[in-house]
Amino acid sequence: QSALTQPASVSGSPGQSITISCTGTTSDVGAYDYVSWYQQHPGKAPKLMIYEVTHRPPGVSDRFSGSKSGNTASLTISGLQAEDEADYYCSSSTSGNVLEVFGTGTEVSVL
Amino acid sequence: QVQLEQSGAEVKMPGASVTVSCKGFRYTFTAYYMHWVRQAPGQGLEWMGWINPTSGDTHYTQKFQGWVTMTRDTSISTAYLELNNLKSDDTAVYYCARDRGTINWGLSHGLEFWGQGTTVTVSS
Repeated sequence: QSALTQPASVSGSPGQSITISCTGTTSDVGAYDYVSWYQQHPGKAPKLMIYEVTHRPPGVSDRFSGSKSGNTASLTISGLQAEDEADYYCSSSTSGNVLEVFGTGTEVSVL
Repeated sequence: QVQLEQSGAEVKMPGASVTVSCKGFRYTFTAYYMHWVRQAPGQGLEWMGWINPTSGDTHYTQKFQGWVTMTRDTSISTAYLELNNLKSDDTAVYYCARDRGTINWGLSHGLEFWGQGTTVTVSS
């Protein structure tokens, strides 16, 4: 399974909105509504931000939202804050909804 | 709060084997799938596979088939990741992560709780 494609970096000013894309194929992102997004600060374990395309786990800010169209999923961060500066990874179910594949990762910078 | 506690850092020679453990606290260990993910230095996340703690069934991505083994001991709520014939490019942080989905309802593919990570260094 090939990694899902994400932009290497995205930046924005405080208060702005940014969107990170995650492009897969008809075998993964396009096939299942099992796309998740993770935030990872340096030296820390990843944190689940979005699961099943649009759902937020308890405690995750509603500034984070997810969507999907065809083979591309997206994570939008609204009202960008300094604490949002981190690496973000998407993931998707694949191979008959049994396996998992991560995206290449996106570094988010707050200017 | 759910917690996953992993074993400590390991340093191994090329060709050796290593086992990383992951103990679950404050939830029913057999009720949720457990995944393993690794991250090489400066690189992205790489999904390795999952284990059903109830049945012991496992699924690995093709890259890890044949030299990685996931097991569990339900009596002590612990999952294990065994890596064999280690190479230098297996140097990474290895994470266990619990799926949101239960065994009864199926995989959610959302990894909600993560261990702190175990650094495995392979060097001669």
